[in-house]
Amino acid sequence: GAVVSQHPSWVICKSGTSVKIECRSLDFQATTMFWYRQFPKQSLMLMATSNEGSKATYEQGVEKDKFLINHASLTLSTLTVTSAHPEDSSFYICSAGGRGTDTQYFGPGTRLTVL
Amino acid sequence: ILNVEQSPQSLHVQEGDSTNFTCSFPSSNFYALHWYRWETAKSPEALFVMTLNGDEKKKGRISATLNTKEGYSYLYIKGSQPEDSATYLCALESNTGNQFYFGTGTSLTVIP
Repeated sequence: GAVVSQHPSWVICKSGTSVKIECRSLDFQATTMFWYRQFPKQSLMLMATSNEGSKATYEQGVEKDKFLINHASLTLSTLTVTSAHPEDSSFYICSAGGRGTDTQYFGPGTRLTVL
Repeated sequence: ILNVEQSPQSLHVQEGDSTNFTCSFPSSNFYALHWYRWETAKSPEALFVMTLNGDEKKKGRISATLNTKEGYSYLYIKGSQPEDSATYLCALESNTGNQFYFGTGTSLTVIP
């Protein structure tokens, strides 16, 4: 299957700083990538759909100015958590892939802890 | 947003036992249902994609069925092995774009 990498695997930062997470499709081109967030004991929640060369589409309740998404190439999407606060501490995971009988391929995720 | 429920939340079985768990959804208004296996510290691994009522898929000892009329999908594991220990996720793919909406997963532990 296709491989998606994510970097970093985990990050600890101080409140008020910004953190960038990278998501790369290693062996295929992804015009669309997705960003999810998972809080403890909860399901993976879709945050936004990232489209190559255009603006991301955010789910209701997700602040686009806080979670900046850039999808500048067919193999790379980045999520920047700006001015992170402790409540942003979560597990962030990206995916990329096709539609229907194809599926989405996931990265291994990034654990963010904001102190 | 598509609502997805999974049960049970967690499950412990003995090696060699067969087991199954459920993904339920109130509406059949989705494009496809996906099952994933997610081992700790790894990427979720795609198991099955199903689109039609009555679909059945099989991969080795694992199989899945889809009943869109009654709003559920079952995942079966025959003769569970310790390496089957993982969280199994169910997701619905929307009709309007290929967004996925996940359940909370079923955590399976197979005891040797």
